[in-house]
Amino acid sequence: KNEVEQSPQNLTAQEGEFITINCSYSVGISALHWLQQHPGGGIVSLFMLSSGKKKHGRLIATINIQEKHSSLHITASHPRDSAVYICAVSDGNKLVFGAGTILRVKS
Amino acid sequence: DTGVSQNPRHKITKRGQNVTFRCDPISEHNRLYWYRQTLGQGPEFLTYFQNEAQLEKSRLLSDRFSAERPKGSFSTLEIQRTEQGDSAMYLCASSPSIGGAVAGNTIYFGEGSWLTVV
Repeated sequence: KNEVEQSPQNLTAQEGEFITINCSYSVGISALHWLQQHPGGGIVSLFMLSSGKKKHGRLIATINIQEKHSSLHITASHPRDSAVYICAVSDGNKLVFGAGTILRVKS
Repeated sequence: DTGVSQNPRHKITKRGQNVTFRCDPISEHNRLYWYRQTLGQGPEFLTYFQNEAQLEKSRLLSDRFSAERPKGSFSTLEIQRTEQGDSAMYLCASSPSIGGAVAGNTIYFGEGSWLTVV
């Protein structure tokens, strides 16, 4: 079993829809990261969480430490949100990544 | 500050050849990480440095792989006697040293170096 599991693996949405991507982890962590990866490779950090909830623009990230679960929400989705969204947890001194969720937002 | 820089961005090599990738982290970042990513998968940890010291190596890092960070600044990842299974994107990342990634400091990624072994 992978230490970090994401769901769904693939997600197609219509522009304007509310999107949720889930992440469950099985190891103790000090922080959880949500990352965005566009075609071609570059990875950008969206959020870093150790508790509660964070919001940045149309993006919201929540974490439940007791349940070892985090969600990334995108409100009013737009085609430019199309990317791979990756959950990663701090495990000791490194990040352990989930496989990613491929999001496609259609106009 | 131009962020984390990796080169070459793309490398095609014949099986059995050696390849070397270079990573220049953000200048004040003490921590430097190497990850490998194949299509459809999230990045997999290979190794990381605190300044010039290599503190952890993944089991994925076979004897054919070696990484260095000689002066605690740039790092190189060398793959000897490449195999087709080495084809992947090699990602470098850096973060500040205070707590490093453990304390949740933001981690910055390079654009990656794509390796194709034919």
